[in-house]
Amino acid sequence: RKEVEQDPGPFNVPEGATVAFNCTYSNSASQSFFWYRQDCRKEPKLLMSVYSSGNEDGRFTAQLNRASQYISLLIRDSKLSDSATYLCVVFRRNTNAGKSTFGDGTTLTVKP
Amino acid sequence: SAVISQKPSRDICQRGTSLTIQCQVDSQVTMMFWYRQQPGQSLTLIATANQGSEATYESGFVIDKFPISRPNLTFSTLTVSNMSPEDSSIYLCSVVKQGNTGELFFGEGSRLTVL
Repeated sequence: RKEVEQDPGPFNVPEGATVAFNCTYSNSASQSFFWYRQDCRKEPKLLMSVYSSGNEDGRFTAQLNRASQYISLLIRDSKLSDSATYLCVVFRRNTNAGKSTFGDGTTLTVKP
Repeated sequence: SAVISQKPSRDICQRGTSLTIQCQVDSQVTMMFWYRQQPGQSLTLIATANQGSEATYESGFVIDKFPISRPNLTFSTLTVSNMSPEDSSIYLCSVVKQGNTGELFFGEGSRLTVL
């Protein structure tokens, strides 16, 4: 089993739709959680951190459920510019450096 | 945030040759990371490069194949040695945000094609 698993997708949605991505992680010692966005042929960039209390940034809402080891990302009122691959990332500090583990990503295409 | 410059941005190489990728950061950082992203796949950590000590390699990656240098706190290199077509990938340099909360900043990546 992979340490971080995401919905495989792809998700194809019309503009204005609401879409949710799910992610589960297997290591209960994981400490920090993130959603990254990766555009085609570009490097990943942080979209938002994920907290147990949930956090919202405009149209984006991220949730963490430590008991279920589950992370979600909700995008409301999808825009064409939201089309990208979304990566779930889990961080664990088991050494001085720590280690980030990436999910395989979920591809979103928003269509007019 | 950190500004990370990588070069080359892309290259096409012949089987059996080696390529060195450079990573320059605009601030001093203790830890730098090298990732690989194979076509259609997610990121896999190759190694952690710490200044003043040997790099720490992840399972499946060895120093002879991916030697790393870290001569100072702003610079690192990754060499892909004796390349084969299976090494065709994007190689990404990364640093962690100060405080090591796990938030990563990435260079633009080096896209390598091995013929």
